[in-house]
Amino acid sequence: EPEVTQTPSHQVTQMGQEVILRCVPISNHLYFYWYRQILGQKVEFLVSFYNNEISEKSEIFDDQFSVERPDGSNFTLKIRSTKLEDSAMYFCASCTSSTDTQYFGPGTRLTVL
Amino acid sequence: DAKTTQPPSMDCAEGRAANLPCNHSTISGNEYVYWYRQIHSQGPQYIIHGLKNNETNEMASLIITEDRKSSTLILPHATLRDTAVYYCIVRADFGGATNKLIFGTGTLLAVQP
Repeated sequence: EPEVTQTPSHQVTQMGQEVILRCVPISNHLYFYWYRQILGQKVEFLVSFYNNEISEKSEIFDDQFSVERPDGSNFTLKIRSTKLEDSAMYFCASCTSSTDTQYFGPGTRLTVL
Repeated sequence: DAKTTQPPSMDCAEGRAANLPCNHSTISGNEYVYWYRQIHSQGPQYIIHGLKNNETNEMASLIITEDRKSSTLILPHATLRDTAVYYCIVRADFGGATNKLIFGTGTLLAVQP
């Protein structure tokens, strides 16, 4: 069964450093999402992406965040200058259409020191 | 904010049916009810969704009341591996609608041996 994959599973970085989290969505999916979950808190929507454009973003997704689909398979989330409060699990999700079920990857645990 | 209300926790004996309730009294006519679960900070796993008819798949059954203001997810024979946080989410499924998932705090289901 096709799955969303994410790398790395765990990323440790120093405050102020740039990080790139990578996702490989399911191959025939066209809509891509990033969510995050701070330890002990709810899963929160960050951004949705379709046709090489951001469709929607939350208040969390400020200028420090960016997303890109650099090739036909990867979908990335970049945090330019990490803060302590960026420490969280980051989940990628994808679906075939805007009305379809979203499928999630296993997540990347980001730890900012 | 999430448009659903769920009990914070429930217990279930292994091998018995687990019935997880969800209240969504403000649901609109074009909103579906989705159920996901999250096992120990892994990525949310899709379980089932429905609009107004009851639905069943290999994982679970979804019973939606006639007025659509509440629903129940049924795991027919719970196992220890079903211990997880279960999220009930309402989402509009038509083109142009925001398709982000808004997670609440869910129900922590603890399956007891």
